Amino acid sequence: AQSVTQLGSHVSVSEGALVLLRCNYSSSVPPYLFWYVQYPNQGLQLLLKYTTGATLVKGINGFEAEFKKSETSFHLTKPSAHMSDAAEYFCAVSVNYGGATNKLIFGTGTLLAVQP
Amino acid sequence: EPEVTQTPSHQVTQMGQEVILRCVPISNHLYFYWYRQILGQKVEFLVSFYNNEISEKSEIFDDQFSVERPDGSNFTLKIRSTKLEDSAMYFCASRGTGSPTGELFFGEGSRLTVL
Repeated sequence: AQSVTQLGSHVSVSEGALVLLRCNYSSSVPPYLFWYVQYPNQGLQLLLKYTTGATLVKGINGFEAEFKKSETSFHLTKPSAHMSDAAEYFCAVSVNYGGATNKLIFGTGTLLAVQP
Repeated sequence: EPEVTQTPSHQVTQMGQEVILRCVPISNHLYFYWYRQILGQKVEFLVSFYNNEISEKSEIFDDQFSVERPDGSNFTLKIRSTKLEDSAMYFCASRGTGSPTGELFFGEGSRLTVL
């Protein structure tokens, strides 16, 4: 079965500092990996995704993530945090069953606070 | 940009009442999902729907829950007799055939409060 573990339910950084949100996955087959962001009182918005090919993927708002198969990780980073990055971030895994589901399995989320 | 829309944004109901949450998926999408997020917890899969039938459901999705696509545009989640523990944010999502990688597009959610 597929699963996702996000280390750190709360992360606080200073404005301008590096953002690092950790995600490890478990999957018996090559996974498709996603990061979604949820701003207060809003839905889930896709930040970036890894499917195949280049292991370093770039997303919106300056975020990027690197797929490391050997470490079963897909950590999210941003070189310089901005106040507007304060939100909850969810890592998710999907497995292409080739069927009609392709459901996403989410981690527990990491709430990012950005201090001025 | 096409988006998934959900109504109502917030509903308060009494325990034991029936609730219907509505979703309008992106128009050319064929796969539909409901997820829920209890306050402070993870986003959990409830059900997926394709070709007018449930393709997968979680153990959360018991006989109190049902889904329907009544008119080719709406996708509804019905909770027959609400319990206190059904209080959560419910997210609808859809996926097109051009997204075999599993990327889902989510609505902004319907917050259900059961008193």
